[in-house]
Amino acid sequence: GAVVSQHPSRVICKSGTSVKIECRSLDFQATTMFWYRQFPKQSLMLMATSNEGSKATYEQGVEKDKFLINHASLTLSTLTVTSAHPEDSSFYICSARTGTENQPQHFGDGTRLSIL
Amino acid sequence: GQNIDQPTEMTATEGAIVQINCTYQTSGFNGLFWYQQHAGEAPTFLSYNVLDGLEEKGRFSSFLSRSKGYSYLLLKELQMKDSASYLCAVLDSNYQLIWGAGTKLIIKP
Repeated sequence: GAVVSQHPSRVICKSGTSVKIECRSLDFQATTMFWYRQFPKQSLMLMATSNEGSKATYEQGVEKDKFLINHASLTLSTLTVTSAHPEDSSFYICSARTGTENQPQHFGDGTRLSIL
Repeated sequence: GQNIDQPTEMTATEGAIVQINCTYQTSGFNGLFWYQQHAGEAPTFLSYNVLDGLEEKGRFSSFLSRSKGYSYLLLKELQMKDSASYLCAVLDSNYQLIWGAGTKLIIKP
């Protein structure tokens, strides 16, 4: 149980392109979803927290107009990197949690984004 | 400020036992998680401790002492596939998950 699907797994595109990443909870209802970014050999950096049906809460320093998050249903959240540039190249990982806050987060497989 | 400390890297031998320590200073405490992350992959959940003591799950065990702000992850009968980073994360009083930088575990034959 607690399977989270994330795709695409890898994206290579030109600078200025907008990229959409999907995160789905396959066998549970995710009341809360999280989006992380991880640079090589560094720890996870939380970008934003989204609750179904409400606006995402962004961490300090994360531009909400650049990283658009939509959590339209209890099983789907999307992250759109708008007008991506090479410095946005990173490993983006979503996670989902159900129920109370002390439940573990279950992670998708991540999306490796490379902007040329 | 909130802080989680764990060693950057550890090396152990196949078949042996290794203990990965984690100390934390956070504003409140609502539990501690351990995750495993293989290179280039997303983290997978290993354990959750909220009460003091040892929780055993197969070859992996996790220990918590809230008074000392200390936890460890114990891996027994090490296998080559256990080579990965191990992340300690604490749920603070606001139920925000504070992540450690991770411990890279290298297993040698």
